[in-house]
Amino acid sequence: DSGVTQTPKHLITATGQRVTLRCSPRSGDLSVYWYQQSLDQGLQFLIQYYNGEERAKGNILERFSAQQFPDLHSELNLSSLELGDSALYFCASSEGGGAGQPQHFGDGTRLSIL
Amino acid sequence: AQKITQTQPGMFVQEKEAVTLDCTYDTSDPSYGLFWYKQPSSGEMIFLIYQGSYDQQNATEGRYSLNFQKARKSANLVISASQLGDSAMYFCAMRGSTGNQFYFGTGTSLTVIP
Repeated sequence: DSGVTQTPKHLITATGQRVTLRCSPRSGDLSVYWYQQSLDQGLQFLIQYYNGEERAKGNILERFSAQQFPDLHSELNLSSLELGDSALYFCASSEGGGAGQPQHFGDGTRLSIL
Repeated sequence: AQKITQTQPGMFVQEKEAVTLDCTYDTSDPSYGLFWYKQPSSGEMIFLIYQGSYDQQNATEGRYSLNFQKARKSANLVISASQLGDSAMYFCAMRGSTGNQFYFGTGTSLTVIP
């Protein structure tokens, strides 16, 4: 158990809809990262938050947004969903910004768009 | 630019044998961390081992060791005495001294043959 909690584990919805994925980091971790993993594109970094502030942005679509709340949990919002958004979405957390601190991953949310 | 390269899409190893998974990296950061993660078919990402760029000795964690060759910019994972449960996808990752983002390779699929 990594200590990172992601909900829901599975999500099935239709094109055009909007969903929210939730992540609770490990106790004490200030950084939260979101990744998308699809079969054809590997593990893609989306966005990082540190103590409530956005720190780095990767290949995140404009239809996607995220935030980190004062209690450090984070949400990833996906809107106007397309078939290509079907993927495994991971949240990971780490203590801070040091190069030596690993990320610990949640079990992921598997999103299926019908 | 930061980059991680894993050139072996798939590897096979006989049970109880050792196997080396290759990883090369590119960075201009003077200080960085190198990580390996395991992703079994169930989907979760499991942190295995960490190597710091200034560490003099290669990291070891049980049956996992990291063959770090700084001049060659390589950080190969060595798994000794392979077990059937080692069959999984393995990702190499790097984090620079700014700590804002992790960079992942495309992964190597390892299959352990009984």
